[in-house]
Amino acid sequence: SYELTQPPSVSVSPGQTARITCSGDALPKQYAYWYQQKPGQAPVLVIYKDSERPSGIPERFSGSSSGTTVTLTISGVQAEDEADYYCQSADSSGTVVFGGGTKLTVL
Amino acid sequence: QVQLQESGPGLVKPSQTLSLTCTVSGGSISSGDYFWSWIRQPPGKGLEWIGYIYYSGSTYYNPSLKSRVTISVDTSKNQFSLKLSSVTAADTAVYYCALQWPGDNWFDPWGQGTLVTVSS
Repeated sequence: SYELTQPPSVSVSPGQTARITCSGDALPKQYAYWYQQKPGQAPVLVIYKDSERPSGIPERFSGSSSGTTVTLTISGVQAEDEADYYCQSADSSGTVVFGGGTKLTVL
Repeated sequence: QVQLQESGPGLVKPSQTLSLTCTVSGGSISSGDYFWSWIRQPPGKGLEWIGYIYYSGSTYYNPSLKSRVTISVDTSKNQFSLKLSSVTAADTAVYYCALQWPGDNWFDPWGQGTLVTVSS
């Protein structure tokens, strides 16, 4: 079955840039999406179609794609950005797949 | 603005059937603009997509759960439902309903989620 691979954890200091990667063989052909999930809350979409930002999401959140890897970048990280982040895509049959999640720690 | 709310029993016995309902407000399932999905998250673990339904009743399920899952829709009540049969402790999770954008397959918005525990 198709898998998306994320690092389990990323740590940054406030004001620095956090980069969270997601790798998958189908990513050159399928869009990726990113969700932020804080403890006890439902996930929130922060990036769609690799690099588009929904209204209401701060400009410090951005996304990029290169080959089989997509990257979520958070510039000028703030304490409130500490959360779990999940990438999501689909295989060629339309089966949705989520990455295992990355815990972002703001030091 | 579309909002979703899950409801159903918080405790289910092993081997029984888990049943949940998602009520949609602020928009109509019958509009045909979206898919309506279920996603789950075991405690402390990641997200797993269960499947979706279209207003017409057509469905698509995650192959890993397909044999046990049924998703149905009641357009008159603006609700859609999940049934998961033969549950075990491994099915203990927070279950979310969400609006799935067709073609592009992203989820926004999500319901708040409801914890279902499988235990005798």
